Amino acid sequence: GQQLNQSPQSMFIQEGEDVSMNCTSSSIFNTWLWYKQDPGEGPVLLIALYKAGELTSNGRLTAQFGITRKDSFLNISASIPSDVGIYFCAGQRETSGSRLTFGEGTQLTVNP
Amino acid sequence: DAGITQSPRHKVTETGTPVTLRCHQTENHRYMYWYRQDPGHGLRLIHYSYGVKDTDKGEVSDGYSVSRSKTEDFLLTLESATSSQTSVYFCAISEDRDYGYTFGSGTRLTVV
Repeated sequence: GQQLNQSPQSMFIQEGEDVSMNCTSSSIFNTWLWYKQDPGEGPVLLIALYKAGELTSNGRLTAQFGITRKDSFLNISASIPSDVGIYFCAGQRETSGSRLTFGEGTQLTVNP
Repeated sequence: DAGITQSPRHKVTETGTPVTLRCHQTENHRYMYWYRQDPGHGLRLIHYSYGVKDTDKGEVSDGYSVSRSKTEDFLLTLESATSSQTSVYFCAISEDRDYGYTFGSGTRLTVV
């Protein structure tokens, strides 16, 4: 079953606000990934993190790989309406080969 | 587009009938995956492949089988569809074990 706890499950914010979401696990991961899913489409990779402590940005998005290797967070600054969607974290463990474990997702709604 | 195509995009079938979903890639990636997405469960791995004729089970493999006779195609078969298999099915590919996945656009399957 799911081994990643993603929170919050949903967020309702105003345009222009900053957003933060995170994933935690009792297991150690050696890769953390963040995806976004638009309605009717498959998830799209936003950011990939490969080292503990790594902080990576992609435009208004910033993600960090936790020092303990058991957590990661994603921040979105100055949200805009097209940020609406479901955000998933995913982790890869050393023992799982190429398989990823996904969080349950954070549904983001941005009010104009 | 992204080099990965799922077919069909939508399907309605009756309980007890066999169903095959197709994933086709033009990226020559080694790894291919089948996930199902359900509310409250996120993305759950059904089966995956790490090469031609090399496949393995994921966390929700009961009632599903897969085949990969050539690099570009990964087929998911529901031998005898049940209502609990109503879901959105996503195929994903990855170049190597340490790379993020690229997802297809999904197949919405309804079993009535």
